[in-house]
Amino acid sequence: DVKVTQSSRYLVKRTGEKVFLECVQDMDHENMFWYRQDPGLGLRLIYFSYDVKMKEKGDIPEGYSVSREKKERFSLILESASTNQTSMYLCASNQGAANYGYTFGSGTRLTVV
Amino acid sequence: AQSVTQPDIHITVSEGASLELRCNYSYGATPYLFWYVQSPGQGLQLLLKYFSGDTLVQGIKGFEAEFKRSQSSFNLRKPSVHWSDAAEYFCAVGAMGGGNKLTFGTGTQLKVEL
Repeated sequence: DVKVTQSSRYLVKRTGEKVFLECVQDMDHENMFWYRQDPGLGLRLIYFSYDVKMKEKGDIPEGYSVSREKKERFSLILESASTNQTSMYLCASNQGAANYGYTFGSGTRLTVV
Repeated sequence: AQSVTQPDIHITVSEGASLELRCNYSYGATPYLFWYVQSPGQGLQLLLKYFSGDTLVQGIKGFEAEFKRSQSSFNLRKPSVHWSDAAEYFCAVGAMGGGNKLTFGTGTQLKVEL
């Protein structure tokens, strides 16, 4: 089975900390995505990457950055965590066009205190 | 820009009853359409997808969905719901040339009464 693995299921961080969320896929997919999920808002795209060292802003990139140094790994970085970044973060990947759909990781629930 | 509306935030059905979850999309051309399911504490699992051909698509776990261009809808159906179907369901739309991005609806929480 293909897999997208997010390194942490739960994280608690303090306001102002720099936070790294890691995502690894074993499918040799070109495209990787970071979404945040909040009740009543569904999933909102933060950043995506269609190749190593390439990145594109999604709908809500403010306060976040990303890194993709290797094809299989896509990191989401909160430069200075704030309480309004408390959320569930979902990583996904796919190969090719959007019609192939995504494979999702299990998510990281981040709490910023 | 593409968008998705799921008008029902919560739906409760009895086990064994039929189910229909609504999804309306906005996009100028033929979209790619998806339904995902999320069990508590889990990521999203693909139930089914449509991007061309037969407008009635079959998915996993006994689900099906019908693409209706005239109504801009892609409703999810199941003839007989099982207690294990209780979860959150998301409709999503993608577009050719849209940077492979999917836009998700806000989700419908399904509760199944025994």
